[in-house]
Amino acid sequence: DADVTQTPRNRITKTGKRIMLECSQTKGHDRMYWYRQDPGLGLRLIYYSFDVKDINKGEISDGYSVSRQAQAKFSLSLESAIPNQTALYFCATSDFSVSGANVLTFGAGSRLTVL
Amino acid sequence: RKEVEQDPGPFNVPEGATVAFNCTYSNSASQSFFWYRQDCRKEPKLLMSVYSSGNEDGRFTAQLNRASQYISLLIRDSKLSDSATYLCVVNRMEYGNKLVFGAGTILRVKS
Repeated sequence: DADVTQTPRNRITKTGKRIMLECSQTKGHDRMYWYRQDPGLGLRLIYYSFDVKDINKGEISDGYSVSRQAQAKFSLSLESAIPNQTALYFCATSDFSVSGANVLTFGAGSRLTVL
Repeated sequence: RKEVEQDPGPFNVPEGATVAFNCTYSNSASQSFFWYRQDCRKEPKLLMSVYSSGNEDGRFTAQLNRASQYISLLIRDSKLSDSATYLCVVNRMEYGNKLVFGAGTILRVKS
């Protein structure tokens, strides 16, 4: 089994629908992240969490919300999906590093299409 | 201006060639640097960290120039399996240790 598992892997939905992307990890890492990737733009951070009680906005959090249900689970919700949220979404985890050089382990990605 | 900029390529090279990518970053507070590799439709994976003194891992050599704020990746003796997108990543030592990703450079190695 993968260290970081994302579900669903692919989803097509319609504008206005609520969508949840789920992420679970077996690495025992405290830190979890949600990124989206768009062609030509690289990965952009949506939300991140350093532990179960810690939730922080990233650079593009508008239109998204998250829930850290447990150390191993971090879900991303689109309350009312819109077409420009069509993208490839990645969940990632990292361990704490004293040097700050946290290395990310990514899930396989969730491809979301909003019609 | 993007905080991390890369030439998108594609770089088309024959097997056995040496190829180099550069990446520039704009925030002088950046403290840690990485190269990630991303295969088509797959997740990014860490290729190597980049240290101030430069570092090598087999056919891959990474260099950092803090004065000019750029990072380089050199691949020697290119293999077909090196075909991928290479992402330059910069980490800033602030709350969240925010990682900033470049958009990536596409490498295609051809036989």
